[in-house]
Amino acid sequence: QVQLQESGPGLVKPSETLSLTCTVSGGSISSYYWSWIRQPPGKGLEWIGYIFYIGTTNYNPSLKSRITISVDTSKNQFSLKLSSVTAADTAIYYCAREGGSPHAFDIWGQGTMVTVSS
Amino acid sequence: DIVMTQSPDSLAVSLGERATINCKSSQSVLYSSSNKNYLAWYQQKPGQPPKVLIYWASTRESGVPDRFSGSGSGTDFTLTISSLQAEDVAVYYCQQYYSTPYTFGQGTKLEIK
Repeated sequence: QVQLQESGPGLVKPSETLSLTCTVSGGSISSYYWSWIRQPPGKGLEWIGYIFYIGTTNYNPSLKSRITISVDTSKNQFSLKLSSVTAADTAIYYCAREGGSPHAFDIWGQGTMVTVSS
Repeated sequence: DIVMTQSPDSLAVSLGERATINCKSSQSVLYSSSNKNYLAWYQQKPGQPPKVLIYWASTRESGVPDRFSGSGSGTDFTLTISSLQAEDVAVYYCQQYYSTPYTFGQGTKLEIK
């Protein structure tokens, strides 16, 4: 079955750029919408944005000026870049598949903890 | 943005008893042309990602026990666990996918009384 795995640095310095990659295994990245969602420690869930496999994106306006989501279909991966990070960006970052268009998030990665600290 | 508000924030229920969690959206998430409510429920256990339980407000995801059910329409929704089991201890979230930015409720922590 389809599985998602996030990867990237666990520690990022303030003002730098957070970069994460989600690898899709057990299935194709084609024909679905792929999202990034984050969860600060002990808090709720915030949708960051999504990308369709052809490259169409939709970002949360609260983060839009700092986000770039891209896709590499040849590697079955999609990526997140979040610039000018602060301590408020410290969170578990999840990648997830939207099971239709639109639909609930039916498949999630295990999540990766990113801490913003000098 | 559509604001999702859950109640209560926390809930303690005895094993075998019914648990009810409410979710209210700041605007309707019912898409009139399809007559579907763009509302999902998730369960999150400590150290794990959320797991979808219910989508379209009342459709149970494959493999989810039938003690979990969803109801409601428009702006008011309910997740019901008919007979609480020990493994149901978790935080539950509602989420709307009617419009972007997709938004989640603040979560309801369910514990055993």
